[in-house]
Amino acid sequence: DGGITQSPKYLFRKEGQNVTLSCEQNLNHDAMYWYRQDPGQGLRLIYYSQIVNDFQKGDIAEGYSVSREKKESFPLTVTSAQKNPTAFYLCASSLRGMNTEAFFGQGTRLTVV
Amino acid sequence: AQKITQTQPGMFVQEKEAVTLDCTYDTSDQSYGLFWYKQPSSGEMIFLIYQGSYDEQNATEGRYSLNFQKARKSANLVISASQLGDSAMYFCAMREGTTDSWGKLQFGAGTQVVVTP
Repeated sequence: DGGITQSPKYLFRKEGQNVTLSCEQNLNHDAMYWYRQDPGQGLRLIYYSQIVNDFQKGDIAEGYSVSREKKESFPLTVTSAQKNPTAFYLCASSLRGMNTEAFFGQGTRLTVV
Repeated sequence: AQKITQTQPGMFVQEKEAVTLDCTYDTSDQSYGLFWYKQPSSGEMIFLIYQGSYDEQNATEGRYSLNFQKARKSANLVISASQLGDSAMYFCAMREGTTDSWGKLQFGAGTQVVVTP
């Protein structure tokens, strides 16, 4: 089945540690996105990539880093510089173009203690 | 500046009634797309409906319709004949650009809908 896989579903880390969230898609989509969602809040864009080996900062990129070495993969690293990393993280992908819907993964709930 | 505004944090609606969720957007582009998504308590994001800025007719998908008022920069979602399974968070989103040159997909803060028997 085609889709987007995020792993793990739940992740716990100690404060000060970097952590990488995985996002893989087999939909042959060019564009991929990372969003952060806090309880009762909307989705805020962290990073997005329109093509392999290229990505742009979203609205809240500070403390995060990404790479896009393969079309299928867009991992997100939450660094120790992120002041409040505990949140629900959603990865999405879409075809190129203004009118294409984004398909989302199931999300990763990160808790930093 | 906030690009997408959803002014209703939460709404109660009775089963079988219709409900309208408000969404206003801010853009200076002539070409853009508007999307609505549903997020149940499980956390998954479900695409509901799309409206392009050049579409002359309002989009419809089953019980979902989009009341698009371009001059007012408004794209309200109407859910007809509400069902208990419609209880969820609803997000409005926008992407600016064209087919060949397009930007990021940005979301509003969402509206929590609770359908009561």
